[in-house]
Amino acid sequence: QKEVEQDPGPLSVPEGAIVSLNCTYSNSAFQYFMWYRQYSRKGPELLMYTYSSGNKEDGRFTAQVDKSSKYISLFIRDSQPSDSATYLCAMSSSASKIIFGSGTRLSIRP
Amino acid sequence: EAQVTQNPRYLITVTGKKLTVTCSQNMNHEYMSWYRQDPGLGLRQIYYSMNVEVTDKGDVPEGYKVSRKEKRNFPLILESPSPNQTSLYFCASSLTFGTGQETQYFGPGTRLLVL
Repeated sequence: QKEVEQDPGPLSVPEGAIVSLNCTYSNSAFQYFMWYRQYSRKGPELLMYTYSSGNKEDGRFTAQVDKSSKYISLFIRDSQPSDSATYLCAMSSSASKIIFGSGTRLSIRP
Repeated sequence: EAQVTQNPRYLITVTGKKLTVTCSQNMNHEYMSWYRQDPGLGLRQIYYSMNVEVTDKGDVPEGYKVSRKEKRNFPLILESPSPNQTSLYFCASSLTFGTGQETQYFGPGTRLLVL
């Protein structure tokens, strides 16, 4: 079993919809949780970074961490075609070694 | 301009021929890391470095070496490449890791084919 599981998609939604992306994990020692966005033929870029449980909001993006369920989510409000990308979750227990999910391909239809 | 550079961008080599992929950042970052990306497997961390002369294994370190003699450079060395190391490689850096305030910068990627 992988330490981090992520549905690869693809996920296709209409413009303006709320998008929910999720990851589950098995290692209860994880305490740093991240979401990356990767456009085609580009390197990943860090979108959201959360320490321990709770919510974090940044513009149209909200990251949620539920450590009791070992489940993290990224919500995108008012989705735009420019949000079309692959989204990767990532986690770390020691603030140094990082484990990534396999990524979810997201497509926003105009 | 703040950036992470990698060289070469594309490389075709043969099994067993030692190679080095260079990574350099101009932001005085302490934390640097190497990743490989394969279809269906996402990004996997190979090695990371918290600072000069401090390196440690990531998730998939077998077959790779790194060194951190200077703060700006973090080369990835494949002593005897094999076909299963064919992949897309990314170098990344951030000021620190673990404070929640980091902005992480990724290089443009190096596409490696080992025949």
